[in-house]
Amino acid sequence: DTEVTQTPKHLVMGMTNKKSLKCEQHMGHRAMYWYKQKAKKPPELMFVYSYEKLSINESVPSRFSPECPNSSLLNLHLHALQPEDSALYLCASSQRARGATDTQYFGPGTRLTVL
Amino acid sequence: DQQVKQNSPSLSVQEGRISILNCDYTNSMFDYFLWYKKYPAEGPTFLISISSIKDKNEDGRFTVFLNKSAKHLSLHIVPSQPGDSAVYFCAASGRNTPLVFGKGTRLSVIA
Repeated sequence: DTEVTQTPKHLVMGMTNKKSLKCEQHMGHRAMYWYKQKAKKPPELMFVYSYEKLSINESVPSRFSPECPNSSLLNLHLHALQPEDSALYLCASSQRARGATDTQYFGPGTRLTVL
Repeated sequence: DQQVKQNSPSLSVQEGRISILNCDYTNSMFDYFLWYKKYPAEGPTFLISISSIKDKNEDGRFTVFLNKSAKHLSLHIVPSQPGDSAVYFCAASGRNTPLVFGKGTRLSVIA
């Protein structure tokens, strides 16, 4: 089973709203990731959690706040977003954050629209 | 500076023929390479990978070739099927280097 689930599938929010994206995996993976993907572009890494600790933050604005409650769950809290933050947000997981042969498995994504 | 390059934004192939997607990389610290397939508004699906100690890896209709000296890899799909039509991303990582994606190649398999 290589399934990563993400909820919601679609989200529309105003610039003053607070919302959260959720990601879950039950593969026993110890690394989880958030990516942002704009149309016709490759996924861009935002955050990496390794063993439930934030190990990489790719200079993401503070209006995006990640949280890893346990090894299976990853949240992304959103507050005061801008219209340019509209994108597909992808969650991924892998056995470990760094390793020579570590494959990341992606969820289906959350399509976020900021009005 | 693009560390992973897919220079062909699109490729059209007839059903039943071979599709060859190419990828070049610049970072010599990369030692693990992956191909992902992506449909619109969905997450990337892992297809096949290869580590730097190999030069070929095969899985059914998909074969990945790695030429380390040229810093080049390719994905061969034989025979191509209409369901293979999607965007294919090449990606690379290293022991201390997060996964880096190329810009993708859109493959269209024509019946």
